Amino acid sequence: DQQVKQNSPSLSVQEGRISILNCDYTNSMFDYFLWYKKYPAEGPTFLISISSIKDKNEDGRFTVFLNKSAKHLSLHIVPSQPGDSAVYFCAETWGTYKYIFGTGTRLKVLA
Amino acid sequence: NAGVTQTPKFRILKIGQSMTLQCAQDMNHNYMYWYRQDPGMGLKLIYYSVGAGITDKGEVPNGYNVSRSTTEDFPLRLELAAPSQTSVYFCASTPELPPSIQYFGAGTRLSVL
Repeated sequence: DQQVKQNSPSLSVQEGRISILNCDYTNSMFDYFLWYKKYPAEGPTFLISISSIKDKNEDGRFTVFLNKSAKHLSLHIVPSQPGDSAVYFCAETWGTYKYIFGTGTRLKVLA
Repeated sequence: NAGVTQTPKFRILKIGQSMTLQCAQDMNHNYMYWYRQDPGMGLKLIYYSVGAGITDKGEVPNGYNVSRSTTEDFPLRLELAAPSQTSVYFCASTPELPPSIQYFGAGTRLSVL
């Protein structure tokens, strides 16, 4: 069974501190990983991605880390801002039409 | 800059009624997808299309039908609505096969009572 798990349904962080969102996967075939951000009443929007040939990708305040041996993916947001409060989904794919999504983590950044 | 447009945003159906969820994209993307998101769950793929005239089932296709007569439009049809179809439905498109960024519509919140 191809599973993607986001074990923390919610996370609260103080403004200016680091937010770390985690994602675990079971299928070693996954070779591309994406993070999406979702605000209420909106669709998910792409945030950042990483290929399995890399272990880190940065884009401004957002960094994604990939640990293939542990089958673990994490998103770091530094510094966290109130506007980052949203639900974050990780998604994985491996070159077919299919994307597998995690259940999401609700991040709340406290001012 | 419309992107992916879904209509309606909200709908309440009675059991046994039918309806069509509309999805249109103006980015000339070949690949389009329909997902449903139940509370506390990830997005589950219902149907997808790799181009006009070509559709295929995803993980949870039962109770739904799709068509793709044009590149722009990918409607999702519910023939006999059931309470189990109460969900939020998202349409997405990508310009190419994975790995590729998916662009999502704002969603349709459907309740079947």
